[in-house]
Amino acid sequence: AQKVTQAQTEISVVEKEDVTLDCVYETRDTTYYLFWYKQPPSGELVFLIRRNSFDEQNEISGRYSWNFQKSTSSFNFTITASQVVDSAVYFCALSGPYGGATNKLIFGTGTLLAVQP
Amino acid sequence: DVKVTQSSRYLVKRTGEKVFLECVQDMDHENMFWYRQDPGLGLRLIYFSYDVKMKEKGDIPEGYSVSREKKERFSLILESASTNQTSMYLCASSLTSVGLAGGPRELFFGEGSRLTVL
Repeated sequence: AQKVTQAQTEISVVEKEDVTLDCVYETRDTTYYLFWYKQPPSGELVFLIRRNSFDEQNEISGRYSWNFQKSTSSFNFTITASQVVDSAVYFCALSGPYGGATNKLIFGTGTLLAVQP
Repeated sequence: DVKVTQSSRYLVKRTGEKVFLECVQDMDHENMFWYRQDPGLGLRLIYFSYDVKMKEKGDIPEGYSVSREKKERFSLILESASTNQTSMYLCASSLTSVGLAGGPRELFFGEGSRLTVL
């Protein structure tokens, strides 16, 4: 069975601090996809990244970076020099290898990040 | 700019009422989804649709039904609302992947409909 665990329920940091959001997954598929979404207070989830299991290179996009480690089944998300606008709930999600709507995303329970000014 | 629009941000209904939640997307996406979001439980899939008039049950379909008469519109129906259906409801859409093993494409979400059933 597929499962995503985000053990950190809430994190509070002060602006300009670096923060890492943890994501641990379980799957029996050899090909799978991992996602991160951001849900700001407005409520609309926003797509951040999609990564397949064969691409183990870390990704950096501005202040955001993602560390994918198959050995520990983790796909952690780091925000460098956090800003108040980063305050949101962040969800990690997992899917199997197939395309189409029948390949469901399994979401973690989310991590609420509060960045204090 | 791509857009998923949910008709109501906040609704208050009484137990036993029939409730309609509407969702429209303007991206010509094949796939549409209804999720429910509850604290500590993350997002759980209620129903999804991969084509007009097609629907598939998600993980928690009990007490819900859906309708997709047009490609751009996907409605969630609570036939007889109950207090345990008080929740945030999120609609999403996506393109279908190219190729069988292309994996799911990213979801585009609406802003959510917060339903309170009294």
